[in-house]
Formats: sequence, structure tokens, C-alpha cells
Amino acid sequence: DVKVTQSSRYLVKRTGEKVFLECVQDMDHENMFWYRQDPGLGLRLIYFSYDVKMKEKGDIPEGYSVSREKKERFSLILESASTNQTSMYLCASTPAESNQPQHFGDGTRLSIL
Amino acid sequence: LAKTTQPISMDSYEGQEVNITCSHNNIATNDYITWYQQFPSQGPRFIIQGYKTKVTNEVASLFIPADRKSSTLSLPRVSLSDTAVYYCLVVSRSASKIIFGSGTRLSIRP
Repeated sequence: DVKVTQSSRYLVKRTGEKVFLECVQDMDHENMFWYRQDPGLGLRLIYFSYDVKMKEKGDIPEGYSVSREKKERFSLILESASTNQTSMYLCASTPAESNQPQHFGDGTRLSIL
Repeated sequence: LAKTTQPISMDSYEGQEVNITCSHNNIATNDYITWYQQFPSQGPRFIIQGYKTKVTNEVASLFIPADRKSSTLSLPRVSLSDTAVYYCLVVSRSASKIIFGSGTRLSIRP
């Protein structure tokens, strides 16, 4: 069974801090994704990556960056955290073959004070 | 990517069959229809995917009419544990990117 693991379930940081959210998958998937989920807005795609060192902007990339140095690991970086980045962050992965469902981690609930 | 529209919420009772309909008028020829389930404090979980007619697995059935402009997720004999948010998505064969809508919040009562 596919396992997508996010490093923290809950995280509290302060405004202006640099924040790293880590995600690891164990199924050798090529594609990895970062979403944020907010009440009433559903899931919104921040960034995705289809290969090591490759990245593509999603719908709301502003204020975020990503890193994919190894195939199994995809990191989301908040360069200077702000209160409007308080949210649930979800990581997902999928193989390169089309029509394969995305496998999600259980999320990181991030609070920026 | 085709936009989807589904009811914001639905209520039902244990043991009933629940049908959640999703409309996707702009679905393209190569697009698939996919449904996810999400419980509080968890990531979405894949339920079922189909292209046309009917697909059934151990959890649900998916009915897709010939024009493919809508689809219906059918959950047989629901239980309290089926209380969750259900998302309908249209996924392009040629792209990995998918768009989640707001989903349908299903509440099951005893």
C-alpha cells in the first residue's frame, strides 16, 4: 500500500520565520504535489513536481517555494511565514502513468502566530 | 480542466443507499471521472474512477451516462462511518494536475 508521510501533524510558527514542510512517499512515484486546504475553498494546488529537481507552479504559488532533491521527498518552504498561510497542508503523489489516483498524506495543520 | 458542480451537503440514515450526483458539462474526450472521500483531519482517499457506463468496486458504484456530462456516486447501505466529504473530480488523461471543488458533506444519522 502506498504511504505518503508528512513530517508533522501540527506545527506552530511565528510570522517571518522560514518554515519547512516535508513529505516522503515510498512507492517510487514520479509526481508529487502540495496543496493547502481552507474551509469553503476546498483543496488548492500550490506546487507540483514531475521529476527530481523539476517543479511547476500550481494555482497559488505566491509566498511558497519547493525543493525536490530526491525522488521520494518533496519539501514545501514558506520563505517568510505570514498569518494568511495558516492552513492545512496536504502532500500527494502519483505515478507518471496517466489516470492514476493521487495518494495523500494526512496533512500538516500549520498555525502562524 | 473541466469544472465540477455537486451538492454542498446531504443527509441520510444508516442502511440507506446514498447517491451523490456531480455535473461536469465541459468534460473532454480524454477525461476521467474520479471520486475521493475525506474524513476530518485526514487527507483525501481515492474511492473510484470511471470513463463511461458503470464501474463497481468493494466500496461504491459509479454511474456515467452516455453524454458523460454528469456522474453519480452510489454508496450502498451506508453506515455512520461513511460520514465524510466526497469530492468529484475530472482528471485529464494527459495531465497530472487535478482540481478539487468544494465537495459534498455527507452526514449519516443513526
